[in-house]
Amino acid sequence: GAGVSQSPSNKVTEKGKDVELRCDPISGHTALYWYRQSLGQGLEFLIYFQGNSAPDKSGLPSDRFSAERTGGSVSTLTIQRTQQEDSAVYLCASSLDLLAGPRSEQFFGPGTRLTVL
Amino acid sequence: TQLLEQSPQFLSIQEGENLTVYCNSSSVFSSLQWYRQEPGEGPVLLVTVVTGGEVKKLKRLTFQFGDARKDSSLHITAAQPGDTGLYLCAGRPKAAGNKLTFGGGTRVLVKP
Repeated sequence: GAGVSQSPSNKVTEKGKDVELRCDPISGHTALYWYRQSLGQGLEFLIYFQGNSAPDKSGLPSDRFSAERTGGSVSTLTIQRTQQEDSAVYLCASSLDLLAGPRSEQFFGPGTRLTVL
Repeated sequence: TQLLEQSPQFLSIQEGENLTVYCNSSSVFSSLQWYRQEPGEGPVLLVTVVTGGEVKKLKRLTFQFGDARKDSSLHITAAQPGDTGLYLCAGRPKAAGNKLTFGGGTRVLVKP
C-alpha cells in the first residue's frame, strides 16, 4: 500500500539495551513526525523533520533519544540504554506540510509497540 | 498540565444515544483537528476547523470550533458500535507553526 509503514510492529527488549525503530513515510511527503503514546493516552510529540531544515527536537525526553531522516525519506528513531518508562507505542506520521498550512493532515503509521523488561 | 484538555476521559453509552466530547485550552490555535484511533492502528483525521465559530458536519458527527479558537467539541448523534474508538483533538498553537499538540484523548465505547 501507499501508506506510512513502521517496523518492527512489536519490540521487546531488556533494560539497558539500544533499540532502533524505522518509519517509511508516504512518498513525496516533506514532513515527518515521531510521537510516543502511552496506553490509551494522547500523543506526545518527540521530533519533527521538514525537508532539509534542521529538525525540531524539542520533544525528545532525554539525550538517550535520537532520530535521523536519510535522503528526506526513511527515518530511524534510536533509544539508547532503554528504561522501563520508555515502554509505549511509538507512532510515525508524514504530511505535505509546506503547502497545506493549518489544514495539513498527518498520515500515521500503525506504530511500534515497545516493551522494556 | 496538558495544553489541550479533553473531557471526559472515558464514555460508555448504548447504541442510539448521543454523546459530546470536549477539547479545551487557554491558548489560541490557528487550527484544530479531530482524529479517531482504533486499537493497533494510527490515528485517522476526521476533520479540520480553522475559523472561530466554525461548525462542520460529517454524517452523524458535528464539530464546532469556539469563537475565540481556544476550544472545540465533537457531538455524535445516534451513536453506533462502529463509532467506538479513541477520539483525539489536536491543535496548532499560533506560535508553533505546523507542529501539532494533542489532547489526552477520549475513549468512547458504544454498546449494542
